[in-house]
Order: sequence, then C-alpha cells, then structure tokens
Amino acid sequence: TQLLEQSPQFLSIQEGENLTVYCNSSSVFSSLQWYRQEPGEGPVLLVTVVTGGEVKKLKRLTFQFGDARKDSSLHITAAQPGDTGLYLCFSGGSNYKLTFGKGTLLTVNP
Amino acid sequence: ETGVTQTPRHLVMGMTNKKSLKCEQHLGHNAMYWYKQSAKKPLELMFVYSLEERVENNSVPSRFSPECPNSSHLFLHLHTLQPEDSALYLCASSQAVYGTGGNQPQHFGDGTRLSIL
Repeated sequence: TQLLEQSPQFLSIQEGENLTVYCNSSSVFSSLQWYRQEPGEGPVLLVTVVTGGEVKKLKRLTFQFGDARKDSSLHITAAQPGDTGLYLCFSGGSNYKLTFGKGTLLTVNP
Repeated sequence: ETGVTQTPRHLVMGMTNKKSLKCEQHLGHNAMYWYKQSAKKPLELMFVYSLEERVENNSVPSRFSPECPNSSHLFLHLHTLQPEDSALYLCASSQAVYGTGGNQPQHFGDGTRLSIL
C-alpha cells in the first residue's frame, strides 16, 4: 500500500499569512487529490492533479504536482479563517488500494 | 449538502449490542465506500462496492458486516464491537471506483460518530 506522508501535521497561523503544506510518497502517484474536511463534516474534493509538474489554482489556493509525481504541495495565499480545516491528500490505483494521508490540521486565527 | 446522507449522526453502544449504520446517495453513482476515521490515524478504507458488488475488503474484522442492497444504499452492520472501534465512520460515493474509470471524485457524507462503551 502506498503511504502518503503529510507535513506539517498541525499549523496555526494568523489571518493574512501565507502557508504551504506537503504530501510526499516514496512511490510514484498515478494521480493525486486534495480534500478539505471541516469540523463535523466529511471531506470535500478541492482538486485532482495528474501530470508531473502540473500547477492548478483555485482562488487563493495553488496546487503543485512534483515533476516525478512523488510529491505535491498546497499553497494558500492570504489565509482566512474560512480556510480552517483538515487538508488531506489522497491517491489510489486500479487495484482498489485507496490511500489518504493523515492530513494537516490548519487553524487560521482572526 | 453533498448528496450523501448518513444516519445516525451519533451512536453510543455497548460491546454486546447490534446496530447498523446507513448511507444513502442521491447522485446516481455506481460506487460506494466505507471509511473509518480515528484520531491521529489516516482515513482507513474499509469496503468498496461497485454496482452493488463488494470489490474490496481491506482486512476488516468480521464484526463489521457491510450490505449494499442497491446502488443508492449502503449499510454497515455492527456487532460485538470493541472500544478501539470508536471512531467516525464515513460513507462516500463516486461515479465509478477511483482509478478504474478515471480519477473520480468521492462525495462524502458527514459521518456517524460511534462510541463504544
């Protein structure tokens, strides 16, 4: 089973700051997804990245897929309290081995 | 509203009880999943169903028994659970099982918070 290592595990910042969280594996991803889970709710898909070196933007969120497709990052610009949540990376293949990372718990303080 | 509804939202049960968790999706999806989310551990895939057929059982103890009577409904029957089974149980659905027909996004319910006394 492919292991997804996420860092940092916890991050507490002030509103307006920038931040980056990471997802890494020793194996090559066929594709990778980022989800955000808010307290009391299930995860919600933010983005899917497929191509090595790919960069996708979602408003203030920038997602990057490493050239070798072994790592990914999520950068948030000018964080807001509404960005608070658990950020999860996810990957899987055609063998039904679906894997989530442990997540980064982000708190943005007003 | 994600289109995936889980009931109950909270459940407290003793180790000798039998209970069931229910999941219903209104998205017309063909794949459904059960995940377990415990503190300090990644989301763990438990079961995967595709067109009502179980395609993955991720080494889950037999005290957890899934049932998928149709593509819109998924149950998790619980009996003789242990304290370490206390967790958030999440149901998800997708158009097809992830990885088999593309990178299908999973739509999650809000989970059932299960506490075993």
